[in-house]
Amino acid sequence: ETGVTQTPRHLVMGMTNKKSLKCEQHLGHNAMYWYKQSAKKPLELMFVYSLEERVENNSVPSRFSPECPNSSHLFLHLHTLQPEDSALYLCASSQELGDEQFFGPGTRLTVL
Amino acid sequence: DAKTTQPTSMDCAEGRAANLPCNHSTISGNEYVYWYRQIHSQGPQYIIHGLKNNETNEMASLIITEDRKSSTLILPHATLRDTAVYYCIVRVYSNYQLIWGAGTKLIIKP
Repeated sequence: ETGVTQTPRHLVMGMTNKKSLKCEQHLGHNAMYWYKQSAKKPLELMFVYSLEERVENNSVPSRFSPECPNSSHLFLHLHTLQPEDSALYLCASSQELGDEQFFGPGTRLTVL
Repeated sequence: DAKTTQPTSMDCAEGRAANLPCNHSTISGNEYVYWYRQIHSQGPQYIIHGLKNNETNEMASLIITEDRKSSTLILPHATLRDTAVYYCIVRVYSNYQLIWGAGTKLIIKP
């Protein structure tokens, strides 16, 4: 595997479910990011990690909970989501904060 | 970070050069110009960035005007696979926040 991978690629969940999105980067980067892309809206930065420490939490509701166990892996834990949370969730990484970001293919999430 | 203005959409014939403009009239001296693209249902892909000088890599060329108020991304020989939304972003290098606009939807036609 090369680059940034995300699993699953597609996810359908009910509002009472708990699920997790996984991101893995094989680039040796030190910074990782979660973005949300809703239909017809620009990408929104959700969370930023540098060397496994969270450096940004852009007023994201607590039903989204990130986890960065090491510099290669990033998770987004989801619980009691709302239908308006349906979107494409993108993970990215960069060598250091501020360097160009490399994106994964995204997880298409649908909340019923 | 400075705001950018891009056309909503553009067409280009396959094999021709695609020239995508971006206005960033309020850019500061320490802000770089970045270009990304997003092919349908995929994650954005980094293309190129520059500060003052023109830049070229295997994907594209970036031409920045002398006053730095605008720039043009050039795809020298567009193919159907270049059909995507192209985003022009300006930011201070140390600022990891990318302010994403609506971008330009580029359609390459056979």
